[in-house]
Amino acid sequence: DSGVTQTPKHLITATGQRVTLRCSPRSGDLSVYWYQQSLDQGLQFLIQYYNGEERAKGNILERFSAQQFPDLHSELNLSSLELGDSALYFCASSFGGADEKLFFGSGTQLSVL
Amino acid sequence: EDKVVQSPLSLVVHEGDTVTLNCSYEVTNFRSLLWYKQEKKAPTFLFMLTSSGIEKKSGRLSSILDKKELFSILNITATQTGDSAIYLCAVNTGTASKLTFGTGTRLQVTL
Repeated sequence: DSGVTQTPKHLITATGQRVTLRCSPRSGDLSVYWYQQSLDQGLQFLIQYYNGEERAKGNILERFSAQQFPDLHSELNLSSLELGDSALYFCASSFGGADEKLFFGSGTQLSVL
Repeated sequence: EDKVVQSPLSLVVHEGDTVTLNCSYEVTNFRSLLWYKQEKKAPTFLFMLTSSGIEKKSGRLSSILDKKELFSILNITATQTGDSAIYLCAVNTGTASKLTFGTGTRLQVTL
């Protein structure tokens, strides 16, 4: 158990809908990262937050947004969902330094039908 | 654009075999290279490498980095069925521990 908690584990929804994925980092970690893993692709970096502030941004679609709250948990919001958004979404956390390993949660499997 | 390439894409071996997984990278700002093991869901950390030529070892697994030739290898000796997983290579390319991942090597160990 990495100590990173993601909910829900599975999510099935329809095209055009909006969903929210939630992540609680390991105790003491200030930084949260979101990654997307599709069937034929590796882990794609979406966005990183550090202590409530956005720190780095990857190829995150405009339909997607995230935030980190004062208690350090984070939410990833996906809207106007398309079939291609079906993927495994991972949250990872670290203390927030420059050379750290990331600890990953078990992911949320999103299926858009 | 930062790129991490792993080979082979997949591998099937018999229990007891030794395997070598490869990872090459082209990135603008290298800080470290990490290996993860992904079994069912969450990738779990194996190694972090920052210096060339220094082998990191954990039981039957070992890894080494060559910063001149821009690659790393992960060796697994005396493989067991429990080693069956996807092995992910990632490079830390920024000041914020942002990782760029390869697509992974799927290893299957058979009896």
